[in-house]
Amino acid sequence: EIVLTQSPGILSLSPGERATLSCRASQSVSLAWYQQKPGQAPRLLIYGASSRATDIPDRFSGSGSGTDFTLTISRLEPEDFAVYYCQQYGSSATFGQGTRLEIK
Amino acid sequence: EVQLLESGGGLVQPGGSLRLSCAASGFAFGSRGMSWVRQAPGKGLQWVSSISDGGTRTYYADSVRGRFTISRDNSENTLYLQMSGLRTDDTAVYYCATIAVASYWYFDLWGRGTLVTLS
Repeated sequence: EIVLTQSPGILSLSPGERATLSCRASQSVSLAWYQQKPGQAPRLLIYGASSRATDIPDRFSGSGSGTDFTLTISRLEPEDFAVYYCQQYGSSATFGQGTRLEIK
Repeated sequence: EVQLLESGGGLVQPGGSLRLSCAASGFAFGSRGMSWVRQAPGKGLQWVSSISDGGTRTYYADSVRGRFTISRDNSENTLYLQMSGLRTDDTAVYYCATIAVASYWYFDLWGRGTLVTLS
């Protein structure tokens, strides 16, 4: 089974700052990113490592390939504070354990 | 409106059975692969099962294979998850989700989820 490791586990930042979230895979994968707010379903942000999903603001960007990936939020808005998951879909589907982005 | 609406969750005893449903609307359900993803309380996401658009191919996580059965009725725009031999670690919110592109299992539309509690 492919294992995804996200870092950091918790990221404390202020609105307006830049957020950088990491996801590392145990082998080469295709990757998506999701945002989840409390009590809500996940929302697809990025697929194919760097393609934004429909209606996702351009402050969200994804990069990387193979086993190392990054989600960047260029300028944090108050509504961006949430949990973020990466997901590989190269072999079945597995999720990382999540990064909680909290207000500093 | 494009949406998925899960139902059928509830409280069940270990060893029991439950059938979840997911009603789809606003899109061509029969043209999309579908999946179930679950989330234990306070935990992360776990893929459970997927089914092809026509329903002929099914896939399961090792943790549920042999106990859960995914199916669909394209005439009723509904996805199902039949769960049996339930265990306490099956306690979770169960989401149905659309597979964005066949053979690429990322999920572009999610329902609100239905809670299954084992006690």
